[in-house]
Parts: sequence; C-alpha cells; structure tokens
Amino acid sequence: QQQVKQSPQSLIVQKGGISIINCAYENTAFDYFPWYQQFPGKGPALLIAIRPDVSEKKEGRFTISFNKSAKQFSLHIMDSQPGDSATYFCAASEYGQNFVFGPGTRLSVLP
Amino acid sequence: DTEVTQTPKHLVMGMTNKKSLKCEQHMGHRAMYWYKQKAKKPPELMFVYSYEKLSINESVPSRFSPECPNSSLLNLHLHALQPEDSALYLCASSQGRGLGNTEAFFGQGTRLTVV
Repeated sequence: QQQVKQSPQSLIVQKGGISIINCAYENTAFDYFPWYQQFPGKGPALLIAIRPDVSEKKEGRFTISFNKSAKQFSLHIMDSQPGDSATYFCAASEYGQNFVFGPGTRLSVLP
Repeated sequence: DTEVTQTPKHLVMGMTNKKSLKCEQHMGHRAMYWYKQKAKKPPELMFVYSYEKLSINESVPSRFSPECPNSSLLNLHLHALQPEDSALYLCASSQGRGLGNTEAFFGQGTRLTVV
C-alpha cells in the first residue's frame, strides 16, 4: 500500500520557470512533511519541511503549500535553474520517526 | 553540523562474504535508520533504532543484521547476500520520537554490489 503518492513522475522545465510537484497522503497520523533532493549517487538532502498546522512555508526559491483537509502538499521551485535538476522525494512521518517516501519526481531544467 | 557519515562509500562482496556497513552521527540524535534504495526508486525503510533499541524491523531478511553500539553509531552486518541485494544503503538520523525537531538527515550512502 502506497502511503504517499507523488506526481508527476518526471518534469521538464525551462530555466527561470516554476517547477511544481504534488504529493498526497492517506495516514492522518502523519505530522511532518519534508521534501528531499537527491542527485545521482548521493544521499537525499533535506530541502524544506512543513507541519500540518501551517498552510505554507517558504525558504528562498522553495515553497511548500499544505492542504490538511485534502491531505495534499506540494513543492514549488521558483526561478528553476539547471542546477536544480535532480530527483525530488516528498515524505511523511509520524512523531518524527519512520519516514515514508513518495515514489519521486525526476526534474530536468533546460538551460 | 548536520552530517551523517557512512563508510565505506563502495563495497563489492561475494555471496559467501561477511561485511559491515558503518554509520556515525554527532548531532545528539536518538533515532537512527537504515534504508535501502534501488535505482530510480525511493528509499525503503529497513530498520529503526530508537534510543539504541531496535524499534522497527520491516520484515528484512536475517542476512541483514543491524547493531547500535551507542547513540552515535549504527552498523549493518551483511552475510550470505544475494545479487538482488545490490543497492544504495542509506543511513539517516533524527532527533527522535516526540522530541520536537523532527528533521531527518541522510548520509551519502554505501553503494553495495553483490557478485
């Protein structure tokens, strides 16, 4: 059973454009929702995270939007750059443990 | 410092070998994890240690044996692995259950190849 769904599977964006990745979850006990960026051969790096009592969080070019009633959250990357080309995973956890990952989105930003 | 250090970075082992993966963090985190990641797939949880005690074993075969010697170290002992066990093995840590800050940090992983 896939606890965290993620779309799209792959995304191609022009440099300077906005990249949007969407996730949905089923377990209402999840209380922490991070996004990770992973480059080939490297471990996932924490980008930004949000708790369900906040509807939006922004850090630099990265913004998380959270809709608790719909059990959905999304990552927006503003002014996308070629260096942002990577695989992005949304995740969810309960009580700060047992992180469950979405299937991932492969982002390519064209120069 | 948000670093989780894993050694070795690469490991090639035969199906009859015994080897160990090591993970270390000095952030004072009390939860540590082993994940397995196959190519183009998300990390899959294998084990969770909470306060140096094994709290979750996601039905992992016994040829994988975790060990948490102290709050900073996590090992994964490997024995009689199969070629399908070849993957990137990731260690992660977080502050722990109910301890407020819930950020989890990952190491760079050990690329394991079983021949």
